[in-house]
Amino acid sequence: GAGVSQTPSNKVTEKGKYVELRCDPISGHTALYWYRQSLGQGPEFLIYFQGTGAADDSGLPNDRFFAVRPEGSVSTLKIQRTERGDSAVYLCASSPTLAGRRDTQYFGPGTRLTVL
Amino acid sequence: KQEVTQIPAALSVPEGENLVLNCSFTDSAIYNLQWFRQDPGKGLTSLLLIQSSQREQTSGRLNASLDKSSGRSTLYIAASQPGDSATYLCAVVPLYGGATNKLIFGTGTLLAVQP
Repeated sequence: GAGVSQTPSNKVTEKGKYVELRCDPISGHTALYWYRQSLGQGPEFLIYFQGTGAADDSGLPNDRFFAVRPEGSVSTLKIQRTERGDSAVYLCASSPTLAGRRDTQYFGPGTRLTVL
Repeated sequence: KQEVTQIPAALSVPEGENLVLNCSFTDSAIYNLQWFRQDPGKGLTSLLLIQSSQREQTSGRLNASLDKSSGRSTLYIAASQPGDSATYLCAVVPLYGGATNKLIFGTGTLLAVQP
């Protein structure tokens, strides 16, 4: 079946602009995660959705970052007033996890964000 | 705070060689440990998942071991091939992270297998 997809694959924007990054998880997966991977580093957790709700947003760096998942499927990561330090690869993952379980996460190809 | 470290940061070996990648974590209270592969411009592919109660997992030429008490895991790759060239990432799920299945990653080992 289809895996996790992310659009766009690349996004170049100017400092101060607003961007939206989209994630389509594997059909039927209730859990969805966003991670951010800076150059030469491992991915860092941003936010976790269980269904429509953000169950853990402790990894969001500041209030310029926001994510939604209104229908429990597609998720959008929104970044306001982008800064050069936001440049990174943003990865999305999904899993069939129900609350309390620990399943393998399936990752998308990522969106490479470059802020000029 | 859980920290995950991977050694070496980069490794180059000739084709056919057996090799070991190392991962260490500071807090032994983990739910599981996973090894991922990342190819340039692509997402992560899960290779092996070891539950905290397990000592090792095997898949084909790959074998991962876990020593939770010492905070260490190794990924053994037998008879390496050029197609194994990629970045290998180790990640743990903290035991006390609530219902969140968030992964805490190491910085990875960049492997190059020379033909």
